[in-house]
Amino acid sequence: DGGITQSPKYLFRKEGQNVTLSCEQNLNHDAMYWYRQDPGQGLRLIYYSQIVNDFQKGDIAEGYSVSREKKESFPLTVTSAQKNPTAFYLCASSPPEENTIYFGEGSWLTVV
Amino acid sequence: AQSVTQLDSHVSVSEGTPVLLRCNYSSSYSPSLFWYVQHPNKGLQLLLKYTSAATLVKGINGFEAEFKKSETSFHLTKPSAHMSDAAEYFCVVSGPSGSTLGRLYFGRGTQLTVWP
Repeated sequence: DGGITQSPKYLFRKEGQNVTLSCEQNLNHDAMYWYRQDPGQGLRLIYYSQIVNDFQKGDIAEGYSVSREKKESFPLTVTSAQKNPTAFYLCASSPPEENTIYFGEGSWLTVV
Repeated sequence: AQSVTQLDSHVSVSEGTPVLLRCNYSSSYSPSLFWYVQHPNKGLQLLLKYTSAATLVKGINGFEAEFKKSETSFHLTKPSAHMSDAAEYFCVVSGPSGSTLGRLYFGRGTQLTVWP
Protein backbone atom coordinates (compact mmCIF):
# COMPACT_ATOMS: atom_id res chain seq x y z
CA ASP A 1 0.00 0.00 0.00
CA GLY A 2 1.18 3.53 -0.72
CA GLY A 3 1.66 5.86 2.16
CA ILE A 4 3.87 7.70 4.59
CA THR A 5 5.49 5.64 7.31
CA GLN A 6 6.88 7.19 10.46
CA SER A 7 8.90 5.29 13.02
CA PRO A 8 9.10 4.75 15.87
CA LYS A 9 5.60 5.58 17.05
CA TYR A 10 6.81 6.24 20.60
CA LEU A 11 10.31 7.25 21.62
CA PHE A 12 11.82 8.19 24.94
CA ARG A 13 15.02 10.17 25.17
CA LYS A 14 17.22 11.26 28.00
CA GLU A 15 18.17 14.88 28.18
CA GLY A 16 21.37 15.60 26.29
CA GLN A 17 20.86 12.86 23.71
CA ASN A 18 20.16 13.27 20.03
CA VAL A 19 17.37 11.20 18.49
CA THR A 20 16.35 10.57 14.90
CA LEU A 21 12.78 10.11 13.69
CA SER A 22 12.30 8.23 10.46
CA CYS A 23 9.92 9.19 7.65
CA GLU A 24 9.58 7.13 4.49
CA GLN A 25 7.10 7.57 1.66
CA ASN A 26 6.38 5.39 -1.38
CA LEU A 27 4.02 7.85 -3.04
CA ASN A 28 6.70 9.26 -5.36
CA HIS A 29 6.11 12.72 -3.91
CA ASP A 30 8.77 15.34 -4.46
CA ALA A 31 8.14 17.51 -1.39
CA MET A 32 8.37 16.39 2.21
CA TYR A 33 7.79 18.23 5.48
CA TRP A 34 8.20 17.92 9.23
CA TYR A 35 5.72 19.49 11.62
CA ARG A 36 5.62 19.66 15.39
CA GLN A 37 2.32 19.53 17.23
CA ASP A 38 1.80 20.74 20.79
CA PRO A 39 -1.59 20.65 22.54
CA GLY A 40 -3.74 23.64 21.69
CA GLN A 41 -1.19 25.14 19.30
CA GLY A 42 -1.95 23.56 15.95
CA LEU A 43 0.99 22.49 13.80
CA ARG A 44 4.26 24.33 13.29
CA LEU A 45 6.64 23.76 10.38
CA ILE A 46 10.14 22.60 11.31
CA TYR A 47 11.80 21.83 7.95
CA TYR A 48 10.72 21.11 4.41
CA SER A 49 12.34 19.73 1.28
CA GLN A 50 11.12 20.17 -2.27
CA ILE A 51 13.75 18.02 -3.98
CA VAL A 52 16.50 15.59 -3.11
CA ASN A 53 19.59 17.11 -1.51
CA ASP A 54 17.80 20.36 -0.76
CA PHE A 55 15.86 21.49 2.31
CA GLN A 56 14.75 24.70 3.95
CA LYS A 57 14.15 25.84 7.50
CA GLY A 58 10.60 26.33 8.61
CA ASP A 59 9.32 28.44 11.48
CA ILE A 60 10.89 26.50 14.36
CA ALA A 61 14.06 24.88 12.98
CA GLU A 62 16.34 25.64 15.93
CA GLY A 63 17.52 22.46 17.61
CA TYR A 64 16.55 20.23 14.68
CA SER A 65 18.35 18.91 11.61
CA VAL A 66 17.28 16.98 8.52
CA SER A 67 18.70 15.28 5.44
CA ARG A 68 17.22 14.39 2.09
CA GLU A 69 19.57 11.92 0.42
CA LYS A 70 16.77 9.94 -1.19
CA LYS A 71 13.41 10.98 -2.57
CA GLU A 72 11.65 8.49 -0.34
CA SER A 73 13.27 9.45 2.95
CA PHE A 74 13.35 12.58 5.11
CA PRO A 75 14.67 11.81 8.61
CA LEU A 76 14.49 14.38 11.38
CA THR A 77 17.11 14.59 14.12
CA VAL A 78 16.13 16.24 17.37
CA THR A 79 19.36 17.47 18.90
CA SER A 80 20.24 18.20 22.50
CA ALA A 81 20.03 21.89 21.59
CA GLN A 82 16.25 21.66 21.33
CA LYS A 83 15.08 23.07 24.66
CA ASN A 84 11.63 21.53 24.79
CA PRO A 85 11.54 18.51 22.49
CA THR A 86 8.64 16.59 24.03
CA ALA A 87 5.92 16.73 21.35
CA PHE A 88 4.07 14.87 18.63
CA TYR A 89 5.98 15.00 15.32
CA LEU A 90 4.25 14.68 11.96
CA CYS A 91 5.85 14.01 8.62
CA ALA A 92 4.02 14.94 5.43
CA SER A 93 4.53 14.91 1.68
CA SER A 94 2.94 16.40 -1.41
CA PRO A 95 3.03 15.74 -5.16
CA PRO A 96 4.04 18.64 -7.41
CA GLU A 97 0.80 18.73 -9.39
CA GLU A 98 -1.60 18.60 -6.47
CA ASN A 99 -2.38 21.38 -4.03
CA THR A 100 -2.58 19.09 -1.00
CA ILE A 101 -0.27 17.57 1.56
CA TYR A 102 -0.65 14.13 3.11
CA PHE A 103 0.40 13.18 6.62
CA GLY A 104 1.97 10.18 8.27
CA GLU A 105 0.66 8.72 11.54
CA GLY A 106 3.05 10.70 13.72
CA SER A 107 5.70 9.96 16.31
CA TRP A 108 5.58 10.78 20.00
CA LEU A 109 8.86 11.93 21.50
CA THR A 110 9.18 12.20 25.25
CA VAL A 111 12.26 13.50 27.01
CA VAL A 112 12.81 11.90 30.40
CA ALA B 1 -0.03 37.85 6.02
CA GLN B 2 -2.00 34.65 6.30
CA SER B 3 -3.76 33.46 9.43
CA VAL B 4 -6.55 31.18 10.50
CA THR B 5 -8.88 31.51 13.46
CA GLN B 6 -11.00 28.64 14.61
CA LEU B 7 -13.68 30.29 16.66
CA ASP B 8 -14.40 27.39 19.02
CA SER B 9 -11.81 25.28 20.79
CA HIS B 10 -14.48 22.74 21.80
CA VAL B 11 -17.84 21.82 20.28
CA SER B 12 -20.22 19.25 21.76
CA VAL B 13 -23.22 17.82 19.92
CA SER B 14 -25.58 14.91 20.33
CA GLU B 15 -25.46 12.06 17.86
CA GLY B 16 -27.80 12.74 14.94
CA THR B 17 -27.73 16.54 15.32
CA PRO B 18 -25.97 18.98 12.97
CA VAL B 19 -22.32 19.90 13.31
CA LEU B 20 -20.92 23.39 12.72
CA LEU B 21 -17.21 24.11 13.13
CA ARG B 22 -16.33 27.72 12.44
CA CYS B 23 -13.23 29.04 10.70
CA ASN B 24 -12.24 32.53 9.64
CA TYR B 25 -9.14 33.28 7.63
CA SER B 26 -7.06 36.28 6.73
CA SER B 27 -5.26 36.40 3.41
CA SER B 28 -4.02 39.05 1.01
CA TYR B 29 -4.68 36.88 -2.04
CA SER B 30 -7.02 34.11 -3.15
CA PRO B 31 -6.18 31.27 -0.80
CA SER B 32 -6.58 27.54 -0.87
CA LEU B 33 -8.38 26.32 2.21
CA PHE B 34 -8.49 22.90 3.80
CA TRP B 35 -10.12 21.02 6.63
CA TYR B 36 -8.25 18.12 8.20
CA VAL B 37 -9.41 15.71 10.89
CA GLN B 38 -7.19 14.09 13.51
CA HIS B 39 -8.20 11.15 15.66
CA PRO B 40 -6.27 10.57 18.91
CA ASN B 41 -2.61 9.69 18.38
CA LYS B 42 -3.06 9.67 14.62
CA GLY B 43 -1.92 11.77 11.71
CA LEU B 44 -4.11 14.32 9.94
CA GLN B 45 -6.55 13.16 7.28
CA LEU B 46 -7.80 15.49 4.58
CA LEU B 47 -11.56 16.06 4.78
CA LEU B 48 -11.95 18.56 1.96
CA LYS B 49 -10.27 21.44 0.17
CA TYR B 50 -11.26 24.63 -1.61
CA THR B 51 -9.14 25.80 -4.54
CA SER B 52 -11.20 28.57 -6.21
CA ALA B 53 -13.66 26.29 -7.96
CA ALA B 54 -17.16 25.80 -6.48
CA THR B 55 -17.67 27.69 -3.23
CA LEU B 56 -19.53 24.76 -1.66
CA VAL B 57 -17.08 21.94 -1.22
CA LYS B 58 -18.10 18.39 -0.39
CA GLY B 59 -15.72 16.15 1.46
CA ILE B 60 -15.52 12.69 2.92
CA ASN B 61 -17.81 11.25 5.60
CA GLY B 62 -20.67 13.63 4.77
CA PHE B 63 -18.82 16.85 5.63
CA GLU B 64 -18.99 19.97 3.54
CA ALA B 65 -17.74 23.54 3.78
CA GLU B 66 -18.70 26.80 2.16
CA PHE B 67 -16.19 29.43 1.12
CA LYS B 68 -17.56 32.92 1.74
CA LYS B 69 -15.14 35.54 0.55
CA SER B 70 -17.19 38.48 1.85
CA GLU B 71 -17.12 37.00 5.34
CA THR B 72 -13.61 35.48 5.03
CA SER B 73 -15.08 32.27 6.41
CA PHE B 74 -14.82 28.57 5.63
CA HIS B 75 -17.11 26.85 8.10
CA LEU B 76 -17.35 23.06 8.22
CA THR B 77 -20.76 21.42 8.52
CA LYS B 78 -22.38 18.01 8.65
CA PRO B 79 -26.14 17.45 8.78
CA SER B 80 -26.06 14.58 11.26
CA ALA B 81 -23.22 13.78 13.66
CA HIS B 82 -22.01 10.25 14.22
CA MET B 83 -20.07 8.95 17.18
CA SER B 84 -17.10 8.27 14.90
CA ASP B 85 -16.90 12.00 14.08
CA ALA B 86 -15.48 12.73 17.54
CA ALA B 87 -11.99 14.05 16.82
CA GLU B 88 -9.99 17.25 16.44
CA TYR B 89 -10.53 19.33 13.33
CA PHE B 90 -8.07 21.78 11.80
CA CYS B 91 -8.79 24.59 9.38
CA VAL B 92 -5.79 25.36 7.20
CA VAL B 93 -4.91 28.08 4.68
CA SER B 94 -2.11 27.79 2.16
CA GLY B 95 0.69 30.22 1.49
CA PRO B 96 0.87 32.44 -1.61
CA SER B 97 0.67 30.87 -5.04
CA GLY B 98 4.13 29.76 -6.08
CA SER B 99 5.35 29.25 -2.54
CA THR B 100 6.01 25.85 -1.16
CA LEU B 101 2.85 24.06 -0.23
CA GLY B 102 4.40 23.29 3.12
CA ARG B 103 3.86 26.88 4.13
CA LEU B 104 0.46 26.04 5.46
CA TYR B 105 -1.07 28.02 8.29
CA PHE B 106 -2.99 25.96 10.79
CA GLY B 107 -5.76 26.96 13.12
CA ARG B 108 -5.42 25.82 16.72
CA GLY B 109 -8.01 23.11 16.24
CA THR B 110 -11.57 22.41 17.37
CA GLN B 111 -12.21 19.36 19.51
CA LEU B 112 -15.56 17.80 18.55
CA THR B 113 -17.33 15.68 21.15
CA VAL B 114 -20.35 13.62 20.12
CA TRP B 115 -22.72 12.46 22.87
CA PRO B 116 -24.85 9.33 22.43
